[in-house]
Amino acid sequence: GENVEQHPSTLSVQEGDSAVIKCTYSDSASNYFPWYKQELGKRPQLIIDIRSNVGEKKDQRIAVTLNKTAKHFSLHITETQPEDSAVYFCAASRMSGAQKLVFGQGTRLTINP
Amino acid sequence: GAGVSQSPRYKVAKRGQDVALRCDPISGHVSLFWYQQALGQGPEFLTYFQNEAQLDKSGLPSDRFFAERPEGSVSTLKIQRTQQEDSAVYLCASSLAGRNTEAFFGQGTRLTVV
Repeated sequence: GENVEQHPSTLSVQEGDSAVIKCTYSDSASNYFPWYKQELGKRPQLIIDIRSNVGEKKDQRIAVTLNKTAKHFSLHITETQPEDSAVYFCAASRMSGAQKLVFGQGTRLTINP
Repeated sequence: GAGVSQSPRYKVAKRGQDVALRCDPISGHVSLFWYQQALGQGPEFLTYFQNEAQLDKSGLPSDRFFAERPEGSVSTLKIQRTQQEDSAVYLCASSLAGRNTEAFFGQGTRLTVV
């Protein structure tokens, strides 16, 4: 089955700097890669996703890149703000079947003012 | 409702007790998923429904776990004879039909088995 590895487990950056979180996956049939943000005690919320037919997607300060050959994808947050502090999860799934999400272990991002 | 609703938010159960966790998905959402999130970990898939049909239950950790969605809307996750290792947050998610549409999560039920 699919296995998703996420790094780093914790990340601390100065406000205004960029943050990068990386994930690798094992199942070459996976073709949908969402990123979720989870604040303490709250529900995971989708912040951006990418499908395997594109290599990069951007939404304001957030971007995701995908390298299908290497089976890795990354989240980039620019001009970080204190409200970006949260745990971020990457995930992977196939378009067919149950489309269940396989999550990485999470990255706790702290933005220092 | 505006989003996926789960109840109760918190549940403390004595070891050996049975529990039932409820999920109200977003109206019209065909797909419903249950995930288990241990402390400090990512959510792990338990089971998936498409309408009332349970199409995948490969993630259920043991036969003590049972899920149902009899009318294709509300779902219940039941855990029999709870054990300490069952302590976790149980998340429900729903999505529209179709390929890889966004999954909306509920706030979860935090189960603590003492």
